[in-house]
Amino acid sequence: AQRVTQPEKLLSVFKGAPVELKCNYSYSGSPELFWYVQYSRQRLQLLLRHISRESIKGFTADLNKGETSFHLKKPFAQEEDSAMYYCALSRGGSEKLVFGKGTKLTVNP
Amino acid sequence: EPEVTQTPSHQVTQMGQEVILRCVPISNHLYFYWYRQILGQKVEFLVSFYNNEISEKSEIFDDQFSVERPDGSNFTLKIRSTKLEDSAMYFCASSDRADSPLHFGNGTRLTVT
Repeated sequence: AQRVTQPEKLLSVFKGAPVELKCNYSYSGSPELFWYVQYSRQRLQLLLRHISRESIKGFTADLNKGETSFHLKKPFAQEEDSAMYYCALSRGGSEKLVFGKGTKLTVNP
Repeated sequence: EPEVTQTPSHQVTQMGQEVILRCVPISNHLYFYWYRQILGQKVEFLVSFYNNEISEKSEIFDDQFSVERPDGSNFTLKIRSTKLEDSAMYFCASSDRADSPLHFGNGTRLTVT
């Protein structure tokens, strides 16, 4: 069974500080990993996916198959980064996304 | 930018009543999904729909649930006899290909009393 674990329910940092949101997964095959973000009163939206290997809004995430992790990082957090962040997994050939419980990031001024 | 729209934003219903949640996916999308999020819990997959049939469903999606694409634009989720534990935020999503990122609607908050 696929599972996504986000160990931190809440994460609070100061503006300009580095931030890392942790995500671990369990899946025996080759998963595709995503980060979705939900800003206050807005819809869930894709932030990035591992196959794109791109940086969005300064965020990056590297898939580490050895550690089964897909941590989201940003070197200098901004106040507008405050949001709920969800890590998600899909297995090859399936349209279904399995989400983690989410981490609420608060960036303080 | 085109968006997935969901109506209503909040639905209150009594236990045992039928409820229909409505979604208008992005117009050129072919894959449609329903997810739900019980307060304080994770977003959970309910069902995916393609080519006018269910392509995948979760254990949550039992006989009380059904989906329909009644016309070329709407995608509905029906719960036949609501239970208290059906209270949740229900998200509709769509994509243009099976491997494309999902575009989510704003959700419908269902409250069963």
